[in-house]
Amino acid sequence: ETGVTQSPTHLIKTRGQQVTLRCSSQSGHNTVSWYQQALGQGPQFIFQYYREEENGRGNFPPRFSGLQFPNYSSELNVNALELDDSALYLCASSLEAPGTNEKLFFGSGTQLSVL
Amino acid sequence: GENVEQHPSTLSVQEGDSAVIKCTYSDSASNYFPWYKQELGKRPQLIIDIRSNVGEKKDQRIAVTLNKTAKHFSLHITETQPEDSAVYFCAASHGTYKYIFGTGTRLKVLA
Repeated sequence: ETGVTQSPTHLIKTRGQQVTLRCSSQSGHNTVSWYQQALGQGPQFIFQYYREEENGRGNFPPRFSGLQFPNYSSELNVNALELDDSALYLCASSLEAPGTNEKLFFGSGTQLSVL
Repeated sequence: GENVEQHPSTLSVQEGDSAVIKCTYSDSASNYFPWYKQELGKRPQLIIDIRSNVGEKKDQRIAVTLNKTAKHFSLHITETQPEDSAVYFCAASHGTYKYIFGTGTRLKVLA
């Protein structure tokens, strides 16, 4: 077990709705990253947070946003859901600071289906 | 842009044989290369990693080799077992905030 937990495990939404996914990292893991994994594909980087500040962002539109809290939990929010947002969303935390090739430890993910 | 190509997409081997998965990266600044194993419905798990100052790393039946000049790195699994069946992902990073993942290799070990 990595100590990274995500909730919910599965979620069904309709197009246009908003969704919040949650992640709880291990104590001391100040770096958290979110990835989107479409069926049959590798994970794609959405963004990373370090000590509650966004540290970097991938090629995702602004309707994907996040928050990180002092208690090592974080959220991924997606507004105006589209069908293509259907995917497994993975949270990954790291003990090391960004820029140090930190080892990522993934949660089990949230499977989001947009109908 | 940054890209990691991974081959093959599927690989079937007989139990006890070796399996090799290859990745090529485009960003010459990449200096960290982890490999993840993902079983069906489960989280990706880090199985081995290598940094650019090392050419090879072994951990029991698993080894990774890196050719910086050719921008290639490979995962080698020897004496494969049925529990090695999973999807394997390579990734590359250059010390920034993101990993670029390959598209995955589905390994089937036939008993």
